[in-house]
Amino acid sequence: GENVEQHPSTLSVQEGDSAVIKCTYSDSASNYFPWYKQELGKGPQLIIDIRSNVGEKKDQRIAVTLNKTAKHFSLHITETQPEDSAVYFCAAVSGGSYIPTFGRGTSLIVHP
Amino acid sequence: GAVVSQHPSRVICKSGTSVKIECRSLDFQATTMFWYRQFPKQSLMLMATSNEGSKATYEQGVEKDKFLINHASLTLSTLTVTSAHPEDSSFYICSCSGATNEKLFFGSGTQLSVL
Repeated sequence: GENVEQHPSTLSVQEGDSAVIKCTYSDSASNYFPWYKQELGKGPQLIIDIRSNVGEKKDQRIAVTLNKTAKHFSLHITETQPEDSAVYFCAAVSGGSYIPTFGRGTSLIVHP
Repeated sequence: GAVVSQHPSRVICKSGTSVKIECRSLDFQATTMFWYRQFPKQSLMLMATSNEGSKATYEQGVEKDKFLINHASLTLSTLTVTSAHPEDSSFYICSCSGATNEKLFFGSGTQLSVL
């Protein structure tokens, strides 16, 4: 089955800095890669996603890159703000499965 | 994004009682619903997958008689924790996807505390 590794487990940055979270996956059949933000006591919220036919996608301060050859994808947050503080999960979905395999999460702390 | 409503957000119950958690997709028809369990500072653990009108598929190690799942309509799924015990205390989250869209949208979660 699919295996998703996510690093780092904790990331601490100063407000205004950039933050990068990296994930690797094992199943070459995976073709959809969503990222979720989870605030304390709440359910995960989809913030951005990318499909395997695209190398990069950007939405305001958030961007995701995908390297299919190396089987890794990354989340980039620029100009971080304290409200970006949360746990971020990457996931990989294999074609036809619709069941995501999640990474273990990254706790992002943005210091004002 | 799509809206998924989950209730209750928090429940405290005595050991031995049953607790029902509801998950509704408010603005789309959810062909498939997923139920997850999450322990503090850990990732999401898939418990079961349910399709409307059919029996749920449970992940290995999840007791189907303990965690009853009903997906009676395209907008409603329920998870009933039967005869709850303290070890069932956890954060339970539902998620929904449509027929042709692999995007998952999550409910707000239910914190279950069994005394």
